[in-house]
Amino acid sequence: AQKITQTQPGMFVQEKEAVTLDCTYDTSDPSYGLFWYKQPSSGEMIFLIYQGSYDQQNATEGRYSLNFQKARKSANLVISASQLGDSAMYFCAMRAAGGTSYGKLTFGQGTILTVHP
Amino acid sequence: NAGVTQTPKFQVLKTGQSMTLQCAQDMNHNSMYWYRQDPGMGLRLIYYSASEGTTDKGEVPNGYNVSRLNKREFSLRLESAAPSQTSVYFCASSETGWITEAFFGQGTRLTVV
Repeated sequence: AQKITQTQPGMFVQEKEAVTLDCTYDTSDPSYGLFWYKQPSSGEMIFLIYQGSYDQQNATEGRYSLNFQKARKSANLVISASQLGDSAMYFCAMRAAGGTSYGKLTFGQGTILTVHP
Repeated sequence: NAGVTQTPKFQVLKTGQSMTLQCAQDMNHNSMYWYRQDPGMGLRLIYYSASEGTTDKGEVPNGYNVSRLNKREFSLRLESAAPSQTSVYFCASSETGWITEAFFGQGTRLTVV
């Protein structure tokens, strides 16, 4: 079975500062992908960043980076230079490559990020 | 460039009524998903279809059925709606495999009274 845990229900950050959103995962499959999505108040799901289990380097996409610590099974999202528009719900997700979880995309509970001016 | 299209966007049902949520994608994706989102619960997987012709239960399948009609379409049916099924429902699709992100529809806000 695969499981994603986001332990921070809500986070606050000052505009222009960096913030880290935590995500831990559990899977017995050696091949898996980790994803982060943003859900603004309008409700749509926006893909932010991806990390593969065999990737040697941490993924980066603009102001987003993924701090991947495989041994600790963590995949934290780092947002640098926060902007007011970053205020949203953020979800961590995982898909394993095979076994009984083949194709299954599992999400964490989400973290609400509020950026203060 | 439609992506993933869900219909309807809003629906109110009476307890015991049935309905089908429709989902279609035009990206030639193999995998499709149905999630429900409740306040404080995140996105919970109801059913998924890893490829055409296959469907599997997710975390919360009770009270729902699905049909992968063809590669493009994946429908979710509530046979006898209950107030506990009041939620926002999202359909998503992705390429097969573990490295590709999922693309989401705009969601269906369902209220069962």
